[in-house]
Amino acid sequence: QVQLVQSGAEVKKPGASVKVSCKASGYTFTSYYMHWVRQAPGQGLEWMGIINPSGGSTSYAQKFQGRVTMTRDTSTSTVYMELSSLRSEDTAVYYCAPLGRVGYWGQGTLVTVSS
Amino acid sequence: QAVVTQEPSLTVSPGGTVTLTCGSSTGAVTSGHYPYWFQQKPGQAPRTLIYDTSNKHSWTPARFSGSLLGGKAALTLSGAQPEDEAEYYCLLSYSGAHVVFGGGTKLTVL
Repeated sequence: QVQLVQSGAEVKKPGASVKVSCKASGYTFTSYYMHWVRQAPGQGLEWMGIINPSGGSTSYAQKFQGRVTMTRDTSTSTVYMELSSLRSEDTAVYYCAPLGRVGYWGQGTLVTVSS
Repeated sequence: QAVVTQEPSLTVSPGGTVTLTCGSSTGAVTSGHYPYWFQQKPGQAPRTLIYDTSNKHSWTPARFSGSLLGGKAALTLSGAQPEDEAEYYCLLSYSGAHVVFGGGTKLTVL
């Protein structure tokens, strides 16, 4: 069965970086682009970007350009999302999701940015 | 950047029918926007109900259907159940791998 297992919760100080992982199983990892989505407390879903696990190409939402980096490791079927220069507004749950025919979402990773 | 609009809130009676819509600031929504619909309940991760306008997943209840309606993407719920009370989000894809979520519709079954 499809599983998307994300890394655990993080607490970071303003200005720091965070790297969230998402390990995929149960489907062909390289066949589906992986989206990253975040949700601030009490807010809606916000699309951050996408990575092609096959070739590694990425596309980021304009809002995150220059601060986000998405990478993948095909040997472990894992994608990573690193967000730098964190500020309090980045406090959110971060999700990975291949969407498409796969349809599943990761369980989410809470990132708290606080001094 | 495009703005995707949804009704902020809707109410449906148990057993009733309701249609949620998803519009784009750039014009009519087409199948080329590959509309998605997601359901999210408090404290849970989103769940994908519909992809590519009208395709369902194995877990999507038959009472949900997706379509294009009047220049918008639409999610129709026929025969609402109490467990359908949730937040619903649409997603549209634009050229250049640019993806935007709608603001969400809070659906109350009452």
